[in-house]
Amino acid sequence: QLQLQESGPGLVKPSETLSLTCTVSGGSISSYNYYWGWIRQSPGKGLEWLGSIYHTGSTYDNPSLMSRVTVSVDTSKNQISLRLRSVTAADTAVYYCATFSILSSGTFDYWGQGTRVTVSS
Amino acid sequence: DIQMTQSPSSLSASVGDRVNITCRTSQTVTTYLNWYQQKPGKAPKLLIFPASTLQSGVPSRFSGSGSGTSFILTISGLQPEDSATYYCQQSYSSPWTFGHGTKVEIK
Repeated sequence: QLQLQESGPGLVKPSETLSLTCTVSGGSISSYNYYWGWIRQSPGKGLEWLGSIYHTGSTYDNPSLMSRVTVSVDTSKNQISLRLRSVTAADTAVYYCATFSILSSGTFDYWGQGTRVTVSS
Repeated sequence: DIQMTQSPSSLSASVGDRVNITCRTSQTVTTYLNWYQQKPGKAPKLLIFPASTLQSGVPSRFSGSGSGTSFILTISGLQPEDSATYYCQQSYSSPWTFGHGTKVEIK
């Protein structure tokens, strides 16, 4: 059974870079026909998709955040990473790692439990 | 970006009731519309895709319909465990976008 687990600091200072890691268990990232990526949820903006990456490096990006967001994959560690630069209080949210399936018409099939990140000095 | 509008934002219904949640999109998404259920403190869970196919393991009291710009999630025979927030999501055009949710409470 595929499992995703997010990890990273729960508190980030304004203007700094938020870095999160998603560790995948239950199989190799390279063996699944999924894109792997990040979604965040905040009271103000609801659910917001940030970006997704295939194990080959092919990406889907959200233009509204593209200049600040980098999603990367490390197949040797079976991990996906998120970097969000120049954070503000508006980036305070629960961040989820999730699979994105093109084959099932674009669904987010598997989710991590989420990690809460607060942006504050 | 495709804008998603869900209605109502919340509802309260009794066990056994039939509940309808509507999702409208700002432009056609054909049938590329998915539904999720989220319970407090948990990640969203896929229920229906695209528009009307039930995800494996989801009770048959859940159903989805619609195409184009208007979609409905129906719960036929509401159960206590259906108390949750429900979200629609379009996968027709990137960036993938979600509705703001409908909170379903049991009377």
